Amino acid sequence: QQQVKQSPQSLIVQKGGIPIINCAYENTAFDYFPWYQQFPGKGPALLIAIRPDVSEKKEGRFTISFNKSAKQFSLHIMDSQPGDSATYFCAARTGGGNKLTFGTGTQLKVEL
Amino acid sequence: EPEVTQTPSHQVTQMGQEVILRCVPISNHLYFYWYRQILGQKVEFLVSFYNNEISEKSEIFDDQFSVERPDGSNFTLKIRSTKLEDSAMYFCASSGGYEQYFGPGTRLTVT
Repeated sequence: QQQVKQSPQSLIVQKGGIPIINCAYENTAFDYFPWYQQFPGKGPALLIAIRPDVSEKKEGRFTISFNKSAKQFSLHIMDSQPGDSATYFCAARTGGGNKLTFGTGTQLKVEL
Repeated sequence: EPEVTQTPSHQVTQMGQEVILRCVPISNHLYFYWYRQILGQKVEFLVSFYNNEISEKSEIFDDQFSVERPDGSNFTLKIRSTKLEDSAMYFCASSGGYEQYFGPGTRLTVT
């Protein structure tokens, strides 16, 4: 019940395309859902986050869509660029200790 | 822009040895965390720390692990007797609220 399931495992899109990464969860105690971007050898960098009382959030080219009833959320990257090639992790927070539970990651490659 | 820093960037140690991984969280943050990532896998929560005590810990964080905030700026993770399976990237994170910011990590290699 603590898991966050992420798909796809890997994704290749053309420059300018809109990759979509999906996550699903079971635990209704999760109250905050961030996305992290990770380049090889680096730490996860916070990209964008949403709380369950909002259905969509946009920051620049990144959009989170959130479906509370389905317990699903997704990341959309508009006008994707080769520099967006990285691994993307969704995560979910539980209160108390602020623990983040991470998804398994999606390796995105944006080709020219 | 403030950032979390970690030292060393890479630590090689022999099985059974003690290691201390160091972190300097963002200065006005009050919540501190350690996570680890085995090569090619997802990031896993180890422990959270607030007000000089552990708030939550995972099953991974057994008696071989400890955390400490020895002064006003550092946050450390100690592994008392390292095992081969402790080889991983260890990330420190800090937060002032919901948003957690991660450091660049320490790659721990246990031989």
